Amino acid sequence: GQQLNQSPQSMFIQEGEDVSMNCTSSSIFNTWLWYKQEPGEGPVLLIALYKAGELTSNGRLTAQFGITRKDSFLNISASIPSDVGIYFCAGSPLKNSGAGSYQLTFGKGTKLSVIP
Amino acid sequence: NAGVTQTPKFRILKIGQSMTLQCTQDMNHNYMYWYRQDPGMGLKLIYYSVGAGITDKGEVPNGYNVSRSTTEDFPLRLELAAPSQTSVYFCASSYLLASGNEQFFGPGTRLTVL
Repeated sequence: GQQLNQSPQSMFIQEGEDVSMNCTSSSIFNTWLWYKQEPGEGPVLLIALYKAGELTSNGRLTAQFGITRKDSFLNISASIPSDVGIYFCAGSPLKNSGAGSYQLTFGKGTKLSVIP
Repeated sequence: NAGVTQTPKFRILKIGQSMTLQCTQDMNHNYMYWYRQDPGMGLKLIYYSVGAGITDKGEVPNGYNVSRSTTEDFPLRLELAAPSQTSVYFCASSYLLASGNEQFFGPGTRLTVL
């Protein structure tokens, strides 16, 4: 099946620092999504990307859909304590690729810790 | 809108027992999904449904069953609970757009099988 490699697995950063994480795929994706999960909660959608090269922001978060369609990046600027959580990337394959075109493949997550 | 709701939030089962995890969404989404999440792992798709009366297997369907009699509800059934089914279960729903598929998740059910 499709594989998503998400890195880094975990990060410890100082409050106020910028954060970068990325996801790479073994195959081409049509959609890239970034989710955040806090302890005891379900994943919450942060940003959705639909076009190669697209750069989208949501407050201090910025995500990019890689030109090759096989990667995506998430940046968080000026981190604050409430940014703590696990960030997941997820992708779905090309449209018209059959029954699986609406299924998402998830990365294993990047656990972010922010030191006040 | 309540979004996606799941019950129960926590459950402990003995080996061999059965139970149903409930999932309801009020967003009129066609698509619904069940995932399991194990520590340090991403989400693995168990079953999904593209509409009432239509379900199909995901990546890890063994030991589970689903039904979809209405647009709103998508229960997940465990018939003979095993320790390997200890996990956190998430239900999600989406309305498939021409451009992509944004899934919205419930708060999860934490299941322990002893």
